[in-house]
Amino acid sequence: DTAVSQTPKYLVTQMGNDKSIKCEQNLGHDTMYWYKQDSKKFLKIMFSYNNKELIINETVPNRFSPKSPDKAHLNLHINSLELGDSAVYFCASSPREGGETQYFGPGTRLLVL
Amino acid sequence: QKEVEQNSGPLSVPEGAIASLNCTYSDRGSQSFFWYRQYSGKSPELIMSIYSNGDKEDGRFTAQLNKASQYVSLLIRDSQPSDSATYLCAADTGRRALTFGSGTRLQVQP
Repeated sequence: DTAVSQTPKYLVTQMGNDKSIKCEQNLGHDTMYWYKQDSKKFLKIMFSYNNKELIINETVPNRFSPKSPDKAHLNLHINSLELGDSAVYFCASSPREGGETQYFGPGTRLLVL
Repeated sequence: QKEVEQNSGPLSVPEGAIASLNCTYSDRGSQSFFWYRQYSGKSPELIMSIYSNGDKEDGRFTAQLNKASQYVSLLIRDSQPSDSATYLCAADTGRRALTFGSGTRLQVQP
């Protein structure tokens, strides 16, 4: 059984479009995260939710909006896509917030043309 | 100053040798440390976690933590070509989540 899943796996789109990425975890974890990994492999946290409550909101353009309908799901909507948004976006979950082991989804490779 | 620092590499070792990967962190209050392995095009997967000073061994992997020096390392014994990957160090830095280093690329030469 897949622990943390993301859809879609690949996303190729034009500048200016709006797109969403979905994430689901079946581990029963309370906390979920969105990370962006750039071409240099640096993994940078964007958002974190604990039991549907937003607890981390890093300096991210407000074109990015996360939504957590329940603690097993965390989605990411991106408005007005720009070339610099091209990256791999990883969802992750952990039992609780803070210094806990995080389990990553397979990633969504976004390419903005 | 970066919170978690790693040498980007590549670190090249021959098959069968010991690979030594190093990481330093800036927050003296950090309590939890993790090593993740990431193959090209894949997601990070946990190798080991360490919370106390000293060594922790798991198979061919040994994590070492020195809180006084703010230093974490990962040793891979009997390195195999399948160990070639990017290794990410992570620490809790009081931000309610982990902070990751930029990773060290390891190449094991057959």
